[in-house]
Amino acid sequence: NAGVMQNPRHLVRRRGQEARLRCSPMKGHSHVYWYRQLPEEGLKFMVYLQKENIIDESGMPKERFSAEFPKEGPSILRIQQVVRGDSAAYFCASSLTRSNEQFFGPGTRLTVL
Amino acid sequence: QQQVKQSPQSLIVQKGGIPIINCAYENTAFDYFPWYQQFPGKGPALLIAIRPDVSEKKEGRFTISFNKSAKQFSLHIMDSQPGDSATYFCAATSNTGKLIFGQGTTLQVKP
Repeated sequence: NAGVMQNPRHLVRRRGQEARLRCSPMKGHSHVYWYRQLPEEGLKFMVYLQKENIIDESGMPKERFSAEFPKEGPSILRIQQVVRGDSAAYFCASSLTRSNEQFFGPGTRLTVL
Repeated sequence: QQQVKQSPQSLIVQKGGIPIINCAYENTAFDYFPWYQQFPGKGPALLIAIRPDVSEKKEGRFTISFNKSAKQFSLHIMDSQPGDSATYFCAATSNTGKLIFGQGTTLQVKP
């Protein structure tokens, strides 16, 4: 039973480029969450999605960031025109239902040069 | 009101000691309190969780104590081992799906 999968594990982008982070939830899980962890800080909620729907995006920056979870395929977190402050570890988690345990993937470490 | 405050920021204990990490919250709507363990370069791993209808939950060497009236909960690690050295995060949620995390505690267990 594979866990939450994220790719790429490491991503390097230059300022102004786009970053695409992918997340495949655990088998059977239809709830996906994205969190960001800045260096030496805790995890901050970004967005909560259920298949084809954004349930809560209260933690997403208003500009440049978007997320989707299509009917088929992985969830995608997209960051347009990256800036140095976007450098962080981005974690995806999934759960069976909204109130169930969230299981985290290994993360994507984004470095913006 | 959405914050979860965690202390201490770092902790050093000898092997066999019992480190205790504390968390406090304000939002009385929170109804699920998990603890996560994170090793460097890895994702957080769910360790143990509690709901407010019980005051204590034990799984192996890990115990959560929960004080609903004080809005506090804590993690105890019995017979700690060097392999327990990691960063520990408490969290809380209110069935919204959004986990609110504490700031984390870096634990070092010396041999």
